[in-house]
Amino acid sequence: DAGVTQSPTHLIKTRGQQVTLRCSPKSGHDTVSWYQQALGQGPQFIFQYYEEEERQRGNFPDRFSGHQFPNYSSELNVNALLLGDSALYLCASSTGQDNSPLHFGNGTRLTVT
Amino acid sequence: GENVEQHPSTLSVQEGDSAVIKCTYSDSASNYFPWYKQELGKGPQLIIDIRSNVGEKKDQRIAVTLNKTAKHFSLHITETQPEDSAVYFCAARGGGFKTIFGAGTRLFVKA
Repeated sequence: DAGVTQSPTHLIKTRGQQVTLRCSPKSGHDTVSWYQQALGQGPQFIFQYYEEEERQRGNFPDRFSGHQFPNYSSELNVNALLLGDSALYLCASSTGQDNSPLHFGNGTRLTVT
Repeated sequence: GENVEQHPSTLSVQEGDSAVIKCTYSDSASNYFPWYKQELGKGPQLIIDIRSNVGEKKDQRIAVTLNKTAKHFSLHITETQPEDSAVYFCAARGGGFKTIFGAGTRLFVKA
């Protein structure tokens, strides 16, 4: 039973470029959340997708957008990259039930130069 | 806004000793409190969680306590082992769908 898988594992981009990160949820999970984790800090909530809709959003600018597909997989898109966007981007999946635990992937390390 | 504070930021213990990590939360609607362990190069892994209708929960060497009145919750690890060395995060989920994380505690267990 595969857990949460994310691709790519590492990515280097130049300031101003756009990036797309991908996530496949754990089998049986239908909800995907995205988090940004800066070095030495806790994960910060970006948004959550359920039934192909953005269900809740954290304090991130519109440059951050996402999508969920019918098979529950998800993408995170970041436009007009800034140096400060360099971080570990984590995808977490869960069921749609209340208080369902988050199961995290190993993340995508994004470096913006 | 919603916030979770975590202390200490770094904790060093001798193998076999206990480790305690404490967190406070601000959102009174919070009703679910998970704890995660993150090892180098990996994503956070759930180690234990507690719901607001429970004051304490134990799983082998790990226990969590929750004081809803004071908005405090704590993680206790007994008989620590070198493999317990990692970064630990507390978190809280309230009336919405997002889980808010603390800043993390780096635990060092010295053999």
